[in-house]
Amino acid sequence: SAVISQKPSRDICQRGTSLTIQCQVDSQVTMMFWYRQQPGQSLTLIATANQGSEATYESGFVIDKFPISRPNLTFSTLTVSNMSPEDSSIYLCSVVAGQNSYEQYFGPGTRLTVT
Amino acid sequence: SQQGEEDPQALSIQEGENATMNCSYKTSINNLQWYRQNSGRGLVHLILIRSNEREKHSGRLRVTLDTSKKSSSLLITASRAADTASYFCATDESTPLVFGKGTRLSVIA
Repeated sequence: SAVISQKPSRDICQRGTSLTIQCQVDSQVTMMFWYRQQPGQSLTLIATANQGSEATYESGFVIDKFPISRPNLTFSTLTVSNMSPEDSSIYLCSVVAGQNSYEQYFGPGTRLTVT
Repeated sequence: SQQGEEDPQALSIQEGENATMNCSYKTSINNLQWYRQNSGRGLVHLILIRSNEREKHSGRLRVTLDTSKKSSSLLITASRAADTASYFCATDESTPLVFGKGTRLSVIA
């Protein structure tokens, strides 16, 4: 298993600003992901955070808007840039832990409100 | 990645009753997982059932899998108010998982 923490847990930000969300895992993991959950919606995968290389983004998400860093196997950041009210969501970090495991673990989420 | 679809979208029951929610998917799978999300929180992994299993239990949870019908069900017995949450299924032959819209369960005390 894996224990994941995220910072901040919530924030209220002004339009046009940027927020960086941190994800810390208690063990080294190969695969780490960022998800977004807009109000009343399901989770949507933003990108796969790759250690030592650029993140792999899903359709509809771009690096300029959601830059991601993955400096090592236990830590990643997601930045939400030039925010607008449409970016108000819960952002979740997720990892796959354990060899030959399909179990995915999720952080507690960061609730972002953009005014 | 493929998406499981949960049914019903919303379910409201009295405390002590059983809650059943279903998941359908479209192609062959290696496993299927159920997750719970309490309001505004991250997902919690509940149970994983492999394609060669037909039923699995964990506490008050019972999951069934019918690969011929490409469907799974999650049964919560003797529900409690604390079971109020959204429940998601996910299938994938590889990571990352892709989620459907979930079933919103409300357990009324």
